[in-house]
Amino acid sequence: GAVVSQHPSRVICKSGTSVKIECRSLDFQATTMFWYRQFPKQSLMLMATSNEGSKATYEQGVEKDKFLINHASLTLSTLTVTSAHPEDSSFYICSAQPGLSYNEQFFGPGTRLTVL
Amino acid sequence: AQTVTQSQPEMSVQEAETVTLSCTYDTSESNYYLFWYKQPPSRQMILVIRQEAYKQQNATENRFSVNFQKAAKSFSLKISDSQLGDTAMYFCAFMTTGTASKLTFGTGTRLQVTL
Repeated sequence: GAVVSQHPSRVICKSGTSVKIECRSLDFQATTMFWYRQFPKQSLMLMATSNEGSKATYEQGVEKDKFLINHASLTLSTLTVTSAHPEDSSFYICSAQPGLSYNEQFFGPGTRLTVL
Repeated sequence: AQTVTQSQPEMSVQEAETVTLSCTYDTSESNYYLFWYKQPPSRQMILVIRQEAYKQQNATENRFSVNFQKAAKSFSLKISDSQLGDTAMYFCAFMTTGTASKLTFGTGTRLQVTL
């Protein structure tokens, strides 16, 4: 149980285009989902926290107009990188938490974004 | 704000031997959770072990155990009988309890298990 999927696993896009990444909890309802960014050989950096039906909370330094997050249902959150540039190339990982009283996050397999 | 420090960027251990990965953290919270995650080359984050701060007993999961020293704010991971499949990045992480249960990760330790 507690499986989280991400789609796509890899995406290559041209500079200036937008890319959408989906994060789904497959066998549980996730009241909260998190989006992380990981540069090569570095740790995970939290970008934002999203709660179903409300606006995402972004970490300091993360542009909310650049990284649009929508948590439309209890099993789906999406991250849209708008007007992508080469510096947005990175590994994006989502995680999902079943509930506020459940202090564990389950991670998706990640999405590698390459912006040409 | 919480900080997590992993002072060993890289470690190496021979198969079947024991290795300990270090982690220290800083927080003013009294109740929290600590985790060790493994990230193999596939980059899938895998939970290795978790510790609840209010529990004095050190957590154990098969070959993995922790040495949790709350007063010293130390949370080391011991891997016994190391296997080639243990080769991965290991991240120590801290989570507060309550509504803002964000994970704060350390910088990671790259563990290489050799023959």
